[in-house]
Amino acid sequence: DAGVIQSPRHEVTEMGQEVTLRCKPISGHDYLFWYRQTMMRGLELLIYFNNNVPIDDSGMPEDRFSAKMPNASFSTLKIQPSEPRDSAVYFCASSSPGTDYGYTFGSGTRLTVV
Amino acid sequence: DQQVKQNSPSLSVQEGRISILNCDYTNSMFDYFLWYKKYPAEGPTFLISISSIKDKNEDGRFTVFLNKSAKHLSLHIVPSQPGDSAVYFCAASALNNDMRFGAGTRLTVKP
Repeated sequence: DAGVIQSPRHEVTEMGQEVTLRCKPISGHDYLFWYRQTMMRGLELLIYFNNNVPIDDSGMPEDRFSAKMPNASFSTLKIQPSEPRDSAVYFCASSSPGTDYGYTFGSGTRLTVV
Repeated sequence: DQQVKQNSPSLSVQEGRISILNCDYTNSMFDYFLWYKKYPAEGPTFLISISSIKDKNEDGRFTVFLNKSAKHLSLHIVPSQPGDSAVYFCAASALNNDMRFGAGTRLTVKP
């Protein structure tokens, strides 16, 4: 398995533009998580899905953020409109219950909003 | 609401010495704790974990200690090596599989 795959690796966009981040979880994992890493707060949980259903989105900062998981092999995190304070590294992770190692993370998408 | 806290943003140790990274948590429902290691431009990778029924777990040079009464855990690396230089995240989860992370500690091991 290629692991959790995120795209793009880097995204630079102008304030006000829509940004879409993509994630392909590990096949067979039924949990998918979106995290945001910032210097001040470390890894913040934004939202997570179980069997494609959003379970907890209380970490989503505001209505400008939305996430979908249309099927077991794909998820998106969308920011519309983007703002400079959204600049961060966004990680996707997937897991399966009962594993000792917790989550498997993707390599992240570094978002810069100018 | 930071349920998992790593109060030391950075730590520097000499090669061969012990590195001790600390983590505190507030949620008494957490029953599983993990440490992740993160290199630049990569996602965090699993390092070691401990269940709340234990107070110590060892894997080679890495040992995690859990003090439930103090809601505190620590990661010991002995001996520290330059390749251990990375950001270390403490994480905790409860039965619902929702994992919370600390802000991370950047460890630098000097040759």
